[in-house]
Amino acid sequence: GEDVEQSLFLSVREGDSSVINCTYTDSSSTYLYWYKQEPGAGLQLLTYIFSNMDMKQDQRLTVLLNKKDKHLSLRIADTQTGDSAIYFCALIGNFNKFYFGSGTKLNVKP
Amino acid sequence: GAGVSQSPSNKVTEKGKDVELRCDPISGHTALYWYRQRLGQGLEFLIYFQGNSAPDKSGLPSDRFSAERTGESVSTLTIQRTQQEDSAVYLCASSLGSLAEEDTQYFGPGTRLTVL
Repeated sequence: GEDVEQSLFLSVREGDSSVINCTYTDSSSTYLYWYKQEPGAGLQLLTYIFSNMDMKQDQRLTVLLNKKDKHLSLRIADTQTGDSAIYFCALIGNFNKFYFGSGTKLNVKP
Repeated sequence: GAGVSQSPSNKVTEKGKDVELRCDPISGHTALYWYRQRLGQGLEFLIYFQGNSAPDKSGLPSDRFSAERTGESVSTLTIQRTQQEDSAVYLCASSLGSLAEEDTQYFGPGTRLTVL
């Protein structure tokens, strides 16, 4: 199967940029995803990147993909307290089976 | 339109009892997934249904766990003789089931199961 790893915690100050990192072992995934989970809520798709892209920008979010190093990152510019949540990276394996990282808990301090 | 719904939202049960969790996917989605999220841990894949194909049960942790799906609609996850380690949030997701293109999974709000 696929191993997907993330650091467990990240703490930033409001207004700073946040960078959440993810590494994986299998490079065959066509799409790579970032999901957000707010306290008491379900998972919400935040953004995704196609595997032949290096970068995707969507408003305050920037996704960077380094296929050689099997490294995916999510950058949140001008982080707000409302961005406090757990962020999961996810890859698709065979037959659309998703593999999720353990999640990174982002804490935004005012 | 309506998203993925799950019921109940919370379930408290006694050790040894059976529980049944329900998932209503988004209409038209042929693929349906069950995941488990234990406290402080990431998501754990349990089972995957795709159309009329045999489900992928490779993630089910024991034979106490089973799931069914009626056509391309409702799915139920059944846990027999519940144990305390079964306490978790059980998440259901559905997707269009396209293998050729990006196939985003949409998640339900989850069922929080507590086994006393």
